[in-house]
Amino acid sequence: DQQVKQNSPSLSVQEGRISILNCDYTNSMFDYFLWYKKYPAEGPTFLISISSIKDKNEDGRFTVFLNKSAKHLSLHIVPSQPGDSAVYFCAASALSSGSARQLTFGSGTQLTVLP
Amino acid sequence: SQTIHQWPATLVQPVGSPLSLECTVEGTSNPNLYWYRQAAGRGLQLLFYSVGIGQISSEVPQNLSASRPQDRQFILSSKKLLLSDSGFYLCAWSPPSNTIYFGEGSWLTVV
Repeated sequence: DQQVKQNSPSLSVQEGRISILNCDYTNSMFDYFLWYKKYPAEGPTFLISISSIKDKNEDGRFTVFLNKSAKHLSLHIVPSQPGDSAVYFCAASALSSGSARQLTFGSGTQLTVLP
Repeated sequence: SQTIHQWPATLVQPVGSPLSLECTVEGTSNPNLYWYRQAAGRGLQLLFYSVGIGQISSEVPQNLSASRPQDRQFILSSKKLLLSDSGFYLCAWSPPSNTIYFGEGSWLTVV
């Protein structure tokens, strides 16, 4: 049972245009959401996060939107650059027993920014 | 600043051989520590997490085990590797906040 879903395995965007990566979740206990970027053979790099008390968080070219009623979040990258080409993982977190937060990841979306 | 290191970066092991992947975190105290695996074409799966020395929680039944002998050291082990253990293993840590930070990853190929 996938609690976090990224339904698009790949996305191609022209350089300079907007990239929109989507993520859906099913667990209403999730209260913190993150996006990670991953290059091949490297560990994921944290990009941006959002708490469930907000519906938008912006950091430079990256903006994350959260729609709690739809259990949907998205990552917008504007403008897209060739160096943004990577796999993007959506992750969700809920406070588990033992006071340790665990992340549940989506399966990832491969973004390709075309020059 | 905090840093996380894991090794070895790549490993090719025969079926039935043991495994030991090590991870250390520097620049912080009492971090939460995690082991994740990314199988080919799939997302990141949490294997183990630890909130303190000697405290290990397992998320999925499997052929692997984890230990935390010191505050900033996390070890992933197996007594006998299976072909299905092949994958990309990631150690991670988190401060009291919600963000988890990952190490460089270790490629394991079981042949």
